[in-house]
Amino acid sequence: GQNIDQPTEMTATEGAIVQINCTYQTSGFNGLFWYQQHAGEAPTFLSYNVLDGLEEKGRFSSFLSRSKGYSYLLLKELQMKDSASYLCAVRDRTGNQFYFGTGTSLTVIP
Amino acid sequence: EPEVTQTPSHQVTQMGQEVILRCVPISNHLYFYWYRQILGQKVEFLVSFYNNEISEKSEIFDDQFSVERPDGSNFTLKIRSTKLEDSAMYFCARGGGPGETQYFGPGTRLLVL
Repeated sequence: GQNIDQPTEMTATEGAIVQINCTYQTSGFNGLFWYQQHAGEAPTFLSYNVLDGLEEKGRFSSFLSRSKGYSYLLLKELQMKDSASYLCAVRDRTGNQFYFGTGTSLTVIP
Repeated sequence: EPEVTQTPSHQVTQMGQEVILRCVPISNHLYFYWYRQILGQKVEFLVSFYNNEISEKSEIFDDQFSVERPDGSNFTLKIRSTKLEDSAMYFCARGGGPGETQYFGPGTRLLVL
């Protein structure tokens, strides 16, 4: 079966840094995606990793370790508007199917 | 400018009725996906399209569901004989194949009464 695990909820302070972890066990792997989803809206693409290492995109960075089945999303200089759900998704080996985690609800407090 | 548009934004239907949800990608891509998200739950993969053919279906995508690309650009997801548990947000996404990023449409909120 396919298993994607993320913490359910996190709280962090405005201006701080937060790391959201994702572990996965899937029958195949061809990339890990991170999305942001505000309540009632569609997921918005943030980043993806297909090789081990760190990908940086402005305030957002994502890390992947394929041997450990582990990824994290790092958000720096947190802003109130970063309060949202963050979804981890794994693309299967063929690239034709995605498996999503349940998402991590991040609350940024002043 | 959105990468993908979807119509309608909201749909209310009676149980047992058929609904057709539409997706219009702004530019041509080889990979397209349909997902659903029941309120408060995770995004679930339904079906993927590659080069105008279904490439993968999930267990959710049973005979009640069908997808078409009737005019070579728009995608439709048809749900026959809707059930109460079909109430969800349905998202279309383009891209996401190997080496591609993936962009979601704004979704259609379906409510089955």
